[in-house]
Amino acid sequence: KAGVTQTPRYLIKTRGQQVTLSCSPISGHRSVSWYQQTPGQGLQFLFEYFSETQRNKGNFPGRFSGRQFSNSRSEMNVSTLELGDSALYLCASSAGTPNQPQHFGDGTRLSIL
Amino acid sequence: QKEVEQDPGPLSVPEGAIVSLNCTYSNSAFQYFMWYRQYSRKGPELLMYTYSSGNKEDGRFTAQVDKSSKYISLFIRDSQPSDSATYLCAMRGTSYDKVIFGPGTSLSVIP
Repeated sequence: KAGVTQTPRYLIKTRGQQVTLSCSPISGHRSVSWYQQTPGQGLQFLFEYFSETQRNKGNFPGRFSGRQFSNSRSEMNVSTLELGDSALYLCASSAGTPNQPQHFGDGTRLSIL
Repeated sequence: QKEVEQDPGPLSVPEGAIVSLNCTYSNSAFQYFMWYRQYSRKGPELLMYTYSSGNKEDGRFTAQVDKSSKYISLFIRDSQPSDSATYLCAMRGTSYDKVIFGPGTSLSVIP
């Protein structure tokens, strides 16, 4: 069974630009969560989508947004990039039902110049 | 006070040692507890997933949850150099709550 796939693996952008990251969950998984990981803050929850609806949201500004498609694939968008947005962005999928844990992809490394 | 506390290490042990990794938490509503292992430049990999209090064993790994003390542990027996990684504890309340992660403990197993 294929795991969670995130594209691209690496991305370099400049301040003020916007970026879209993609996540394909494990087949059959309906929940997709996004996290930001930095050395100083660790893993911080951005949002979770389940069946195309946002089910949970973390404490990030509105520049961070996401969506989920009918095939459960998800995208995350960050607008007006800031230097502090440099991080590893991780996507995790799960069945979204009780007792089913999340499984992570290898992330997208975003660097802002 | 953070919701989940974890000693960041680094923790360095000789090959073959028993490793004990721990997390404490403040939210008594947490019911689901997880341990993830993360190698450099990779995403977290699920090691253990437990519900409520008790022990769970899987090969060289044992997870313990003590809800009365708000304390969870991961034990690694016969540690190997390939166990060198960052270990993240994680927990959630109901199955629809967001997952809260600890900051991670960096482990090095020396041959």
